[in-house]
Amino acid sequence: NAGVMQNPRHLVRRRGQEARLRCSPMKGHSHVYWYRQLPEEGLKFMVYLQKENIIDESGMPKERFSAEFPKEGPSILRIQQVVRGDSAAYFCASSPSLGNNEQFFGPGTRLTVL
Amino acid sequence: DQQVKQNSPSLSVQEGRISILNCDYTNSMFDYFLWYKKYPAEGPTFLISISSIKDKNEDGRFTVFLNKSAKHLSLHIVPSQPGDSAVYFCAASGYGGSQGNLIFGKGTKLSVKP
Repeated sequence: NAGVMQNPRHLVRRRGQEARLRCSPMKGHSHVYWYRQLPEEGLKFMVYLQKENIIDESGMPKERFSAEFPKEGPSILRIQQVVRGDSAAYFCASSPSLGNNEQFFGPGTRLTVL
Repeated sequence: DQQVKQNSPSLSVQEGRISILNCDYTNSMFDYFLWYKKYPAEGPTFLISISSIKDKNEDGRFTVFLNKSAKHLSLHIVPSQPGDSAVYFCAASGYGGSQGNLIFGKGTKLSVKP
């Protein structure tokens, strides 16, 4: 009965490289959310996806960031041309339906940009 | 502009005593509130929630109180145990943009001393 899985747990990139973060939701969950946590801050919403659809991307930076949740496979958060300010913990959460507000979080991916 | 505020960054309590963590919000459209607990290098773990139609919800040692007129909620932990030492995040959801995303406070670090 696996929970939300994220990989990699730690990712180091140099400025200008691409970062790909993966999230596999809990079994039976069709809603995925991505959040970012900067040091000493709370989690900030980035994007909400269902299978093959982006429902709300109001928290995503306008450039360099994209997310997808394909019909098969994990959800991917992609950051192109990373900068030092992208260094943060990125958490994925999943829920079974919109009516259920309890979101279950993965362990996070800690991105460090050198 | 922070919509969910946790004004105490840290709290220290003696084992066996009550821990009270506070949270204020500004958006009157929030209709569901959650508390998450987070250990270092892990994702947030759901603790307890409350709907805006209630003023109290209890689960074992954890009780959440909601005062809608004051836009204030609190989490009571009694008796506190050393294993409760963690960062506690208050979160809210509602109609402020998307019904799916959670708005988090910055967290309160609870230390329970033996």
